[in-house]
Amino acid sequence: EAGVAQSPRYKIIEKRQSVAFWCNPISGHATLYWYQQILGQGPKLLIQFQNNGVVDDSQLPKDRFSAERLKGVDSTLKIQPAKLEDSAVYLCASSPGGAGSEQFFGPGTRLTVL
Amino acid sequence: GQSLEQPSEVTAVEGAIVQINCTYQTSGFYGLSWYQQHDGGAPTFLSYNALDGLEETGRFSSFLSRSDSYGYLLLQELQMKDSASYFCALSGFAGNMLTFGGGTRLMVKP
Repeated sequence: EAGVAQSPRYKIIEKRQSVAFWCNPISGHATLYWYQQILGQGPKLLIQFQNNGVVDDSQLPKDRFSAERLKGVDSTLKIQPAKLEDSAVYLCASSPGGAGSEQFFGPGTRLTVL
Repeated sequence: GQSLEQPSEVTAVEGAIVQINCTYQTSGFYGLSWYQQHDGGAPTFLSYNALDGLEETGRFSSFLSRSDSYGYLLLQELQMKDSASYFCALSGFAGNMLTFGGGTRLMVKP
């Protein structure tokens, strides 16, 4: 069974530029998550989708971050414009759904904002 | 909101047993999970407690006490490959969104 795919794996941009990340979850997983993990910290949930609807985006900085889940499968996360403090690893995870079900994480995208 | 506290670092010897504690503050949650993350890698699921008590999965066990707002992960027969960061995380009632603790870096020495 293929795992969660993410691209790109690494991205370096200047502040005020835009960037987009892509995620392809495990086939059949209804729930998709985006997390931000700053070096030395635990992952922080940015947004959770159930199929193509948003369940929780309370911690998403909506003035600069946006996310969508196309047809309930793939998802993209965009930052526009980027700030220095956005430097982090962006992790995508998926799960079959249901309270307590295991989340499967992708390899992440390491973003560096200069 | 929710918050979780873990020790930042733990060191143990190969073959030993180590316990990683997690205390939390929350108005309500569904369960407590544990994830392992090697440097540069993705978090991987280890264990989940929905009810109070001990859950055992091979060399790893996890414990939850809701009355004490406390849980722990127990790793037995430590191996060098267990050197990693370990995160406890609360599952919410709205689906299974996770709030992660800051993580505990475990170093296993020969």
